[in-house]
Amino acid sequence: SYVLTQPPSVSVAPGETARITCGGNDIGSKSVHWYQKKPGQAPVLVIYYDSDRPSGIPERFSGSNSGKTATLTITRVEAGDEADYYCQVWDITSDHGVFGTGTKVTVL
Amino acid sequence: EVQLLESGGGLVQPGGSLRLSCAASGFTFSSYAMSWVRQAPGKGLEWVSVISGSGTNTYYADSVKGRFTISRDNSKNTLYLQMNSLRADNTAIYYCAKGGGDYQLLVPPVDHWGQGTLVTVSS
Repeated sequence: SYVLTQPPSVSVAPGETARITCGGNDIGSKSVHWYQKKPGQAPVLVIYYDSDRPSGIPERFSGSNSGKTATLTITRVEAGDEADYYCQVWDITSDHGVFGTGTKVTVL
Repeated sequence: EVQLLESGGGLVQPGGSLRLSCAASGFTFSSYAMSWVRQAPGKGLEWVSVISGSGTNTYYADSVKGRFTISRDNSKNTLYLQMNSLRADNTAIYYCAKGGGDYQLLVPPVDHWGQGTLVTVSS
């Protein structure tokens, strides 16, 4: 089955840039979506189809995808960005949805 | 405004059954794929199942295939998940999730989520 690997944690100071990676076999050929998940709340879509941003999501959130790694970048990090972030793809080979292992972003 | 309201969660014994429901409003229900996604305590998000807008096409995670059945009633704007032969490792918050569209080959991302319903499998 298809596996998406993320670093368990990323720490960043307020105002700095956080980069969260998502690795998978030939991930550059897939469409990657990113979700923000805060404790006790439903997930929120922050990036879809690699780099598109839903309405209401700040421009500070951006995404890219090439080769073996997709990346979610959060610039000018704020305390409210502290959350778990998950990448996700649809694996057409297995007809399965796949979530990454998740990355906890801590704002120092 | 899109609203997804799950119900049906609760405590069930191992081997038992439960049916989750998700009442949808604020969009043309039959035009969108719908999914169930779960999160076990202290764990990450896990995709469970998806159903096409018409209900004719369904997919399941290997961990639930043969035990769970996803369905929808477009006349009632309601999504269901019938869960049979439940095990302790099925304990999780189950989220109802709306896709960004319908699908033919590629299932679109989830653009709206319910607040989730807790399923606890324990004796």
